[in-house]
Amino acid sequence: GNSVTQMEGPVTLSEEAFLTINCTYTATGYPSLFWYVQYPGEGLQLLLKATKADDKGSNKGFEATYRKETTSFHLEKGSVQVSDSAVYFCALKNTGNQFYFGTGTSLTVIP
Amino acid sequence: DTGVSQDPRHKITKRGQNVTFRCDPISEHNRLYWYRQTLGQGPEFLTYFQNEAQLEKSRLLSDRFSAERPKGSFSTLEIQRTEQGDSAMYLCASTHRGYQETQYFGPGTRLLVL
Repeated sequence: GNSVTQMEGPVTLSEEAFLTINCTYTATGYPSLFWYVQYPGEGLQLLLKATKADDKGSNKGFEATYRKETTSFHLEKGSVQVSDSAVYFCALKNTGNQFYFGTGTSLTVIP
Repeated sequence: DTGVSQDPRHKITKRGQNVTFRCDPISEHNRLYWYRQTLGQGPEFLTYFQNEAQLEKSRLLSDRFSAERPKGSFSTLEIQRTEQGDSAMYLCASTHRGYQETQYFGPGTRLLVL
């Protein structure tokens, strides 16, 4: 079946710290992979995506590389800001049209 | 373009009552998805439409749940005989035919069943 496993939170970091949020997936075939972000009081927004192995998605200083050999899509940012405080969801879309989401990782960045 | 809208934003109901939620997707988005999200969990797929056709339904969608998208624009999700376990955030998302992998989410309808 299809599923996504994310590292559990909450994660608390100081401003300018390095961020990694781990995400691994199980899927048949060749899924597309996504990171969504939900800022406080707002709806989910697509942060970045990668559609094939070795692709790197990037946006707003965040990056994630599609690693087929380790079935992973870890989210990274070199220097987090207070405004990055949010809940981050890893997701996949397989050859069908369903999207599968992880449980979300809450990030709090303190000044 | 005003984004995906959902109505109402909050709903409190008593167990056994019926409720109906509405989703208005971004115009010209041909696919519309419904999800349920409970506290501490990610969105769980319920069903999706391509234009007016309901193409997939999750096993989560019991026979008390029904969704429609009669003219391929807005959609409604009805829950009959609500149960306390139906309490959740119900999310709607839409995608454009040329960019089916980019979902745009609405703010959600939070349902509380007493």
